[in-house]
Amino acid sequence: GDSVTQKEGLVTLTEGLPVMLNCTYQTIYSNAFLFWYVHYLNESPRLLLKSSTDNKRTEHQGFHATLHKSSSSFHLQKSSAQLSDSALYYCALSEASQGGSAKLIFGEGTKLTVSS
Amino acid sequence: EAAVTQSPRSKVAVTGGKVTLSCHQTNNHDYMYWYRQDTGHGLRLIHYSYVADSTEKGDIPDGYKASRPSQENFSLILELASLSQTAVYFCASSGGNYAEQFFGPGTRLTVL
Repeated sequence: GDSVTQKEGLVTLTEGLPVMLNCTYQTIYSNAFLFWYVHYLNESPRLLLKSSTDNKRTEHQGFHATLHKSSSSFHLQKSSAQLSDSALYYCALSEASQGGSAKLIFGEGTKLTVSS
Repeated sequence: EAAVTQSPRSKVAVTGGKVTLSCHQTNNHDYMYWYRQDTGHGLRLIHYSYVADSTEKGDIPDGYKASRPSQENFSLILELASLSQTAVYFCASSGGNYAEQFFGPGTRLTVL
């Protein structure tokens, strides 16, 4: 079945260093739609960015990701980490199953901690 | 104004008791979802619904029931709460295939 893998459960960085959170996926569908959600402490998870276009860079709020269907990857990057980026980040795959449902399959999440 | 609300925000239940978690959305979305969040497991789908009066099993439905009496409301029911159901539960809504999901604030459930 479809799945999403986030290898790093915890990433600890010093402010100013680049961020890269890994996400790989498996799906039987050629029209994969990938998402990154961010969950700040005491808030609701919310969408950070999404993409379904192969090899196109998508950017939002300083973060960017490129969907590479050849390697089934959708890594999240930022050039310079800020203290306020500390949060739990989820990669997710949209599954268009029978009946028209719109399910998301989430990875296990990566907790990013940025320190000064 | 928050578009997805959940009640209660926190609950302590006893093992074997019945628990009902409620979710209300004002997004006019057809799809609603219940997830549980556990450290090391991320967000896992329990039940979902794409139309009122109909629910579907998600990836981890055992021990849970769901009810969608209207487009706006979606409940998660634990008939016999167990220790293993201690977790944070999130409700979400979306407009359809490949659409963004909007999450509620979560309910922290502790089963003792």
